[in-house]
Amino acid sequence: QQQVKQSPQSLIVQKGGISIINCAYENTAFDYFPWYQQFPGKGPALLIAIRPDVSEKKEGRFTISFNKSAKQFSLHIMDSQPGDSATYFCAANNQGGKLIFGQGTELSVKP
Amino acid sequence: NAGVMQNPRHLVRRRGQEARLRCSPMKGHSHVYWYRQLPEEGLKFMVYLQKENIIDESGMPKERFSAEFPKEGPSILRIQQVVRGDSAAYFCASSPRASGKGNEQFFGPGTRLTVL
Repeated sequence: QQQVKQSPQSLIVQKGGISIINCAYENTAFDYFPWYQQFPGKGPALLIAIRPDVSEKKEGRFTISFNKSAKQFSLHIMDSQPGDSATYFCAANNQGGKLIFGQGTELSVKP
Repeated sequence: NAGVMQNPRHLVRRRGQEARLRCSPMKGHSHVYWYRQLPEEGLKFMVYLQKENIIDESGMPKERFSAEFPKEGPSILRIQQVVRGDSAAYFCASSPRASGKGNEQFFGPGTRLTVL
């Protein structure tokens, strides 16, 4: 019940395309859903986050879509760039405390 | 405003030695979290501390691992008698609040532990 399942494991997108990463959860008590971006050898960097009172949040080229009834949320990267090539992690928690992370998606954007 | 600081960035230990990993949270943050990332895997929660208190240690191995966050100074993750399976990247994160708006966790650059 504490798991967050993330797919796909890896993703190859052409420059200018849309990258889509999906996550699903089971614990309905989760109330905070962040996405992190991690480059090799670096720590995860908070990219964007959403709370379940909204269905979508957009920041620049990054959008989170949230479907509370399906217990799913996704990250869309519009106009993907080679500099977006990194590993992306979704996560969730309940009233703060520990983050439960998905398994990660390795994104490669080809020029 | 400096970010979360961790040191050392790289640590090499032989089997049976002790490893001490340090984490200084962002200014104004009193909540610290430790996570472990094994090669090719995601991040796994280990322990959550607030000044002088362990709030949640449900992810900590029962033996050899301990953590503290004293009133003064950095948080310390201590691994005694290290084994090869402890080789991983250890990340610290901090947040200004426990829950609600403003509880975003910001990560440090990590300490990469290699056990020979």
